[in-house]
Amino acid sequence: DAGVTQSPTHLIKTRGQQVTLRCSPKSGHDTVSWYQQALGQGPQFIFQYYEEEERQRGNFPDRFSGHQFPNYSSELNVNALLLGDSALYLCASSLNPGPHEQYFGPGTRLTVT
Amino acid sequence: ELKVEQNPLFLSMQEGKNYTIYCNYSTTSDRLYWYRQDPGKSLESLFVLLSNGAVKQEGRLMASLDTKARLSTLHITAAVHDLSATYFCAVDMDSNYQLIWGAGTKLIIKP
Repeated sequence: DAGVTQSPTHLIKTRGQQVTLRCSPKSGHDTVSWYQQALGQGPQFIFQYYEEEERQRGNFPDRFSGHQFPNYSSELNVNALLLGDSALYLCASSLNPGPHEQYFGPGTRLTVT
Repeated sequence: ELKVEQNPLFLSMQEGKNYTIYCNYSTTSDRLYWYRQDPGKSLESLFVLLSNGAVKQEGRLMASLDTKARLSTLHITAAVHDLSATYFCAVDMDSNYQLIWGAGTKLIIKP
């Protein structure tokens, strides 16, 4: 049973550039959530996708956008990168409805220089 | 606004000792999760607590939930070095779809 996968593993970008991160959910899951985790902090919720729609959004600017595809995989896009966007980006999948135990992928480490 | 507070934020202990990590949250919820994170790694689900009085145990770890007190505890029994990690609690709001996370407790267990 395939777990949550993310790509790429690591990424280095320059300020002002744009980045796309990808996530495939655990088999059988239909909901994908994205989190940003800065070093030494807990995860911060970015948004959640269900049925190809953004269902809930955290306190992140519009530079952060996403998409969910019919096969439930998802992308996170960040435009106009800032140094402060450097973080570990985690994708989590879950099954709707029900308690939202989330299964996390290995993460993408983004460094903005 | 739901807030989740963990304490302590840092804990250094000797192998063989017992200790408890506390997770307080500020509004009504009956769904709480504990996760473990090793340095540079992703989050591993440890426990899912879905009702008042829920208690789950796995090996040397035991988690409980008191929804009236808005408190969950993660108890470590006879700690071993392999349990060194950062432990997070996260709370699920009924009317929301996001998990609200504590800041994490960094646990170091010395041989």
